[in-house]
Amino acid sequence: QSVLTQPPSASGTPGQRVTISCSGSSSNIGSYTVNWYQQLPGTAPKLLIYNNNQRPSGVPDRFSGSKSGTSASLAISGLQSEDEADYYCAAWDDSLNGYVFGTGTKVTVL
Amino acid sequence: EVQLVQSGAEVKKPGESLKISCKGSGYSFTSYWIGWVRQMPGKGLEWMGIIYPADSDTRYSPSFQGQVTISADKSISTAYLQWSSLKASDTAMYYCARGLYSGSYNGFDPWGQGTQVTVSS
Repeated sequence: QSVLTQPPSASGTPGQRVTISCSGSSSNIGSYTVNWYQQLPGTAPKLLIYNNNQRPSGVPDRFSGSKSGTSASLAISGLQSEDEADYYCAAWDDSLNGYVFGTGTKVTVL
Repeated sequence: EVQLVQSGAEVKKPGESLKISCKGSGYSFTSYWIGWVRQMPGKGLEWMGIIYPADSDTRYSPSFQGQVTISADKSISTAYLQWSSLKASDTAMYYCARGLYSGSYNGFDPWGQGTQVTVSS
């Protein structure tokens, strides 16, 4: 099982703000930067946030990331229907000597 | 444009061997780690391992060590994931992805389109 814990689901109406948490430990989030990936239905994952809070070119600024201690968060402000997807946090882990993904959160736009 | 293109879907029987590929283009293939990720039906992402094509330095997740082999042929900018004896539980979508920065493996972008592997008798 994953060492990074996320809520299984989150939802909101269009225009609302949704926040997804990612809980880890000192061997992963506490020591390394966090990345977030978005996986739209039936497609490959896509990098959404890197280095805790940086957006790759082309990612809308309604997506933002933050990190504090051994936890991280992804916020989606101004939720849109096209944001319905699975979201995963990830980071390197010293104890496992490998990259670890979070358990994933399914975002539903009501 | 940086791109990873994976080989097509495979249908195999238990006990058979398989090697799937991931071809990189639009960047210096030997300067970036390539990772492999498994996604079983209806499940989350699992990191399998990574390879640095310049010297074939390879790291495996403990969960996949001994179960698969990751390799690369830098002459044709292609990474591989192979099994010597497939099991039904290997049925999944497999993605390759490039390290975010040259020499870095904390973060992956872009990703390949995925290769569906189905193992059934």
